[in-house]
Amino acid sequence: QQPVQSPQAVILREGEDAVINCSSSKALYSVHWYRQKHGEAPVFLMILLKGGEQKGHDKISASFNEKKQQSSLYLTASQLSYSGTYFCGTEERYNQGGKLIFGQGTELSVKP
Amino acid sequence: EAQVTQNPRYLITVTGKKLTVTCSQNMNHEYMSWYRQDPGLGLRQIYYSMNVEVTDKGDVPEGYKVSRKEKRNFPLILESPSPNQTSLYFCASSTPGGEQFFGPGTRLTVL
Repeated sequence: QQPVQSPQAVILREGEDAVINCSSSKALYSVHWYRQKHGEAPVFLMILLKGGEQKGHDKISASFNEKKQQSSLYLTASQLSYSGTYFCGTEERYNQGGKLIFGQGTELSVKP
Repeated sequence: EAQVTQNPRYLITVTGKKLTVTCSQNMNHEYMSWYRQDPGLGLRQIYYSMNVEVTDKGDVPEGYKVSRKEKRNFPLILESPSPNQTSLYFCASSTPGGEQFFGPGTRLTVL
């Protein structure tokens, strides 16, 4: 069953912050985050594992609450380059990321 | 350069005419997957493969076949395409840590 992402779309001004949520009805082993720019392939951002710590690089970070089967992606001080569609992918057991179920995506637009 | 390649990138065909979309990776990854992407539905997995000769169904396997005879190649076969298979298709391979590398995509239109 697909995880549910919220919001479906968000518009920001440069420098503003955003949070994208991913929620599953099933117990999860891991949550993966990807970003897809228009007309391009999805690109890996990060993986959060059950029992692991919050991750991040640069101004993009994420958390995973395994008890609630929820993950959140945090984008701080957004830049124009952050625009795109963000997908979470969930795994119920370790499969080297090979069996991901993706959410429907959250479209993020950053305006000057 | 580490990459996943797909061919063709664009294809327009007619109902019932068998077609194959090729996928190849040069990173020696064990796991490979096929996804289709449709507006509002995100990425849905069609099939995945854990290694040579080992494949399993994803969420939307109906109407598709795959084979994995070599580690680097994972072709997607549509034996009798139908208009509801018009979509954007992505092949991906995974590192042991779970990071997926996606190919550039194949846009398929079935008339």
